[in-house]
Amino acid sequence: QLQLQESGPGLVKPSETLSLTCTVSGASISSSSYYWGWIRQPPGKGLEWVGSIYYYGSTYYNPSLESRVTISIDTSKNQFSLRLSSVTAADTAVYYCVRREWGAFDYWGQGTLVTVSS
Amino acid sequence: EVLMTQSPATLSVSPGERATLSCRASQSVSSYLAWYQQKPGQSPRLLIYGASIRASGVPARFSGSGSGTEFTLTISSLQSEDFALYYCQQYNSWPPYTFGQGTKLEIK
Repeated sequence: QLQLQESGPGLVKPSETLSLTCTVSGASISSSSYYWGWIRQPPGKGLEWVGSIYYYGSTYYNPSLESRVTISIDTSKNQFSLRLSSVTAADTAVYYCVRREWGAFDYWGQGTLVTVSS
Repeated sequence: EVLMTQSPATLSVSPGERATLSCRASQSVSSYLAWYQQKPGQSPRLLIYGASIRASGVPARFSGSGSGTEFTLTISSLQSEDFALYYCQQYNSWPPYTFGQGTKLEIK
């Protein structure tokens, strides 16, 4: 059974960089069928796609975040990561790592709350 | 960017009755439309993709329809576990993938 698990600091100071890692188990991240990515949800609000990455490294980002986002992949560890720079309180959210198949997000991690605060 | 608008924001329905949720796209997304269910404290769950294809393990009481700009999620006979938040998402024109703001389905 495929599982995705987010990890990383739950508290980040304003202007610093948010870093999260998603560890995939139960399947190879190198499968050519899927994209991997991140979706976030501010407390009490809706879903926002952050970005996605293909196994050989091609990336796609939300234009609203593109200048601050980097998603990378480590196939040897079956992991992919998110870095979001210059964070503000508006970046406080639950961050989900996801698998994308045929455009829809069919597997989700449990989510991790990241709070931006000094 | 394709704007997704869901209606109503909140829908009150009695158990056993039918629920109909709507999603409208600001431009055609063909059939590249997905629906998700989210319960409090949980991750979203994929219900429908391709506008009408049920994801693995999704009960038959969930059905999706529509194409172009107008879409509907129908739950034929509401069970207690169906009361939740529902989101639509388009994947025809990306980046970015975009979601609707959600419909809260509550017990009447």
